[in-house]
This record gives sequence, structure tokens and C-alpha cells, in this order.
Amino acid sequence: EVQLVQSGAEVKKPGESLKISCKASGYNFATYWIGWVRQTPGKGLEWMGIIFPDDSDTRDSPSFQGQVTLSADKSINTAYLQWHSLKASDTAMYYCATTFCNSSTCSTGNAFDLWGQGTLVTVSS
Amino acid sequence: SYELTQPPSMSVSPGQTARITCSADVLPKQFAYWYQQKPGQAPVLIIYKDTERPSGVPERFSGSSSGATVTLTISGVQAEDEADYYCQSGDSSGAYVFGTGTKVTV
Repeated sequence: EVQLVQSGAEVKKPGESLKISCKASGYNFATYWIGWVRQTPGKGLEWMGIIFPDDSDTRDSPSFQGQVTLSADKSINTAYLQWHSLKASDTAMYYCATTFCNSSTCSTGNAFDLWGQGTLVTVSS
Repeated sequence: SYELTQPPSMSVSPGQTARITCSADVLPKQFAYWYQQKPGQAPVLIIYKDTERPSGVPERFSGSSSGATVTLTISGVQAEDEADYYCQSGDSSGAYVFGTGTKVTV
């Protein structure tokens, strides 16, 4: 089955670090871009960045540049989103999502074809 | 970057047609995509490249484009279509942009 499974909910204090994960199965993880999307309570979707696991080429949203780090380990089909120092304003649901688009095939264009179930991150003192 | 503007909410009766717009000057040059998000669930792609429907998405969902506005149409709205709907596009730098979202109440 083609799916993205994210790590579980996290409760952290301001200033702490955090790395959440997104494990892919059922497709060739390394050769499709995978991105991260933030959704704050009661708010809309915000694109944070996207990474190509095969060579770790990354594009960051200007809104999140320097705030988070995207990485991927193609040997275990897993993408990561990392914070070095969390803030209360980082409290949100975070989704990973893949676009089945690369230099060889791009039938659905730059759509996020497949989404993880989301990871809720709560930052509170 | 730019903003994709959607109406915040709309209310439709079962069986009626809902039309959700998404506007930005970049849309004549970039494809648009639509997602449906039900409470407590992740978004699901329902329209890609302005007008195409992924397999498994009901035919009552359709997309269209005219100039700087794209439209998601839900024909014969059903109770299960109550959800938030987001448009999405991109820009020449490879960035992704989501619309402001529309809450559809049936």
C-alpha cells in the first residue's frame, strides 16, 4: 500500500529541540519530492519546504527559512522535519506530503498527491 | 510570493451546486490544484492541473479556469462534501502556495 506514516504527537517546552518523521512505503521514496505543510489551530495550510530524498536537494519557504531543517534518509525511506529551538508559535499540526513528480514523470503536476496523517506538535511551558 | 484568495465560507443545500473561487494574478501562468480536508483528517487531492480529477474522486467535483481565477464546482452537493477546500499553486522559483481556504457547510 502506498502511504506516508508520521511519528506521534509531541509535547515540548519552549527552547527544546524536536525532530519528527515521515516514513514512506509502497513507492520509490528517493525519486519523488516530499514536502512539509503546517496547519495552525483553526487556520489554513502553509507550505514549509520540500526535499528530494535522492540527493537531499531542498527548497525552503522564505517564511520558514532558518526556522526548521528538512532532511531525508533514503536508506530507510524516511523524511524528517527538525527544530533546534521551539517556540510557542510552533504549536500546530504538521503534515508531510509527496508529489509524484520528477524529471521523468509528472502526470499530476506539482500536486501533493499523497499525505501523511499529520503530527500534532504542542509547545507550552 | 503571492496570495491565493478564496471566500472564507459558503453554505449550500443538498443537491445544489457549490462554486468555490480562487484568485491570483499568477494563475494564468501556473496550474492550480484543489484539496478537500474534513475535520480531523489530512487534506486529499481532488483536482490537479486546473481541471483533471484523480481516480476515485466523484464526478460531481470539477475544476475550471478563466484568467486569474480558478473555480472548483461541486454539482449535486451531498452531506459528505461538508469540508474545508483549499486551492494551491506554485511560482517560477518552485515554491508552493496554498489558498486561504473555504469552509463549505451543507
